[in-house]
Amino acid sequence: DGGITQSPKYLFRKEGQNVTLSCEQNLNHDAMYWYRQDPGQGLRLIYYSQIVNDFQKGDIAEGYSVSREKKESFPLTVTSAQKNPTAFYLCASSIRGPRNTEAFFGQGTRLTVV
Amino acid sequence: RKEVEQDPGPFNVPEGATVAFNCTYSNSASQSFFWYRQDCRKEPKLLMSVYSSGNEDGRFTAQLNRASQYISLLIRDSKLSDSATYLCVVNMNTGGFKTIFGAGTRLFVKA
Repeated sequence: DGGITQSPKYLFRKEGQNVTLSCEQNLNHDAMYWYRQDPGQGLRLIYYSQIVNDFQKGDIAEGYSVSREKKESFPLTVTSAQKNPTAFYLCASSIRGPRNTEAFFGQGTRLTVV
Repeated sequence: RKEVEQDPGPFNVPEGATVAFNCTYSNSASQSFFWYRQDCRKEPKLLMSVYSSGNEDGRFTAQLNRASQYISLLIRDSKLSDSATYLCVVNMNTGGFKTIFGAGTRLFVKA
């Protein structure tokens, strides 16, 4: 089955540590996105990538980094510079281009700083 | 100004009520539009696309007004199971193609 997979589902991090959240898709989508959602809040865009080896900052990129070495994979690293990383992280993908296409989401990763 | 703005919530309605959500977008280069539904602690899922002519899916009706840069979602005969957060989503081409989500509007349907 085609889809988008995030791992792990739950992640605990000690203060000062970097952690990497995985996102893999087998939908052959060019565009991939990372969003952050805080309790009772909407989605905020962290980074997005429209093509391999290229990515752009979203609204809240500070303290995060990404890479897009393969079409299928768009990992997100939450660095120690991110002061309040506890949140629900959602990865999504879509077909790139001016077409009426939906975004598909992974099931999310809940990150907690302990 | 945010690229996509939605009505602030939450909306609290009784079963059977009709409820309308509104969304405005700032970029006229926006090309496609959607409503997503997100249940508590779950990922968002597509509810329906929004077409210029308006479209209906059962109790749900979506409308688009390109001139006013406004989309809406109408839910008729609300059910308890409609309780969720509804997200307005816009695909735009601004020198690059990207998808922007509104912050969402929370709906509570009560018996």
